[in-house]
This record gives sequence, C-alpha cells and structure tokens, in this order.
Amino acid sequence: EPEVTQTPSHQVTQMGQEVILRCVPISNHLYFYWYRQILGQKVEFLVSFYNNEISEKSEIFDDQFSVERPDGSNFTLKIRSTKLEDSAMYFCASSDYRQVGNQPQHFGDGTRLSIL
Amino acid sequence: GQNIDQPTEMTATEGAIVQINCTYQTSGFNGLFWYQQHAGEAPTFLSYNVLDGLEEKGRFSSFLSRSKGYSYLLLKELQMKDSASYLCAVRDISGGYNKLIFGAGTRLAVHP
Repeated sequence: EPEVTQTPSHQVTQMGQEVILRCVPISNHLYFYWYRQILGQKVEFLVSFYNNEISEKSEIFDDQFSVERPDGSNFTLKIRSTKLEDSAMYFCASSDYRQVGNQPQHFGDGTRLSIL
Repeated sequence: GQNIDQPTEMTATEGAIVQINCTYQTSGFNGLFWYQQHAGEAPTFLSYNVLDGLEEKGRFSSFLSRSKGYSYLLLKELQMKDSASYLCAVRDISGGYNKLIFGAGTRLAVHP
C-alpha cells in the first residue's frame, strides 16, 4: 500500500538554526498538509497546500515557517530560526484529489524535531 | 469556535467491547474521522462518517449524529494490540479548504 514518507525521523538542531523537514506524499495525491504534535498534546494543523500554493494556514504557521514543493515528489517544511517551543513531532499528510466522500488524510511516520 | 471533547483515558479487558465518545462544535463541519495512534507513531485512519448513522468496518464501528454533534467509536473483540490513543478529528472547511481539527485523544489500555 502506498505511504507518505518523511525524512529525517529525528532532527536535533540548535536554537536559532534553520531546519528543513522533508516529505514524499503518496504519488497520485494532490493535497498536502503539515501538522505538529507537541509531546503529550494533540495533533495541530499547520498548513495545507494545493496546486503549488498554500491554501490555508493556522495561527501557528507564522513568518518563520514556509512550505515548498521543489519538484514533482517532495514537499518540504522550513523553519527559518528555530525556537525551543518548536520542539515537536511534525507529521506530513496527503489526500486524494477527490475531496468528497471518505477520502482520509494519510499521515507519514513523522519527524521528531528537538531544539536545544 | 472549535471544540472537540473526548475522554482522556479508558481501560478495558481483552475480548470485551469498548465505546469511545466524542463531542464536537465546529463551524465548517464536513465529516468526522477516527484515527488510531500508537505512542511515537503516526495517526492511522480507522473510519469516516459524514452522514448520520453507523459505519461498520470489521471489529471497528463508528457512529455519527450531526444534530447532537456526537460520535462514537466502537471496538469489539478487543486485542492487546488495540492499546493505543484514539483520535477524533473533524474535517473543517470553514477556511474554504479542508483541514482536520483533532481532539486530544483517548488513551485506551487493554488488559488481559
């Protein structure tokens, strides 16, 4: 069964450094998402992406965050200047072009980001 | 505003049946999903409801009442591997596109 893949599985970064989290969505999916989950807390929506542009973003997704689809397969999340509170598990998800019906978002295994 | 409530923890016995409830208040409701999440792993899709009623999928069933803002996930013939967090998530289209708004999850512990 096709799956969403994320790299790296764990990233340790000094505060203030830039970090790029990478995702390869399921190949025939056109809608892409980033979520984060701070340890012990709920999964939170960050941003959705469709047709090479951001379609919606949450209040968490401030100017320090950006997303990009640099080629036909990768989808990246960049944090420009990391803060301690950015430490979390970051999940990439994708969904099928059909937005009606039971089209779930499929999640990758996540990248655990630790800011020191 | 948006609010999704589910119990924090539940325990059950292997072989039994457990029902996990979820109540929600959202502005752009377009379906409710249940995901399973084992510790340190990704949420995995279990079920989806957009119309009122019961959806059955093997050992798992999910129910939705839109007028009451209520759903439940029913797990039958519990197995030890069902010990996990169960996340209720509402698809919200109030921003024009769809995003998932998650509840805090219900940690289910299955005992022998």
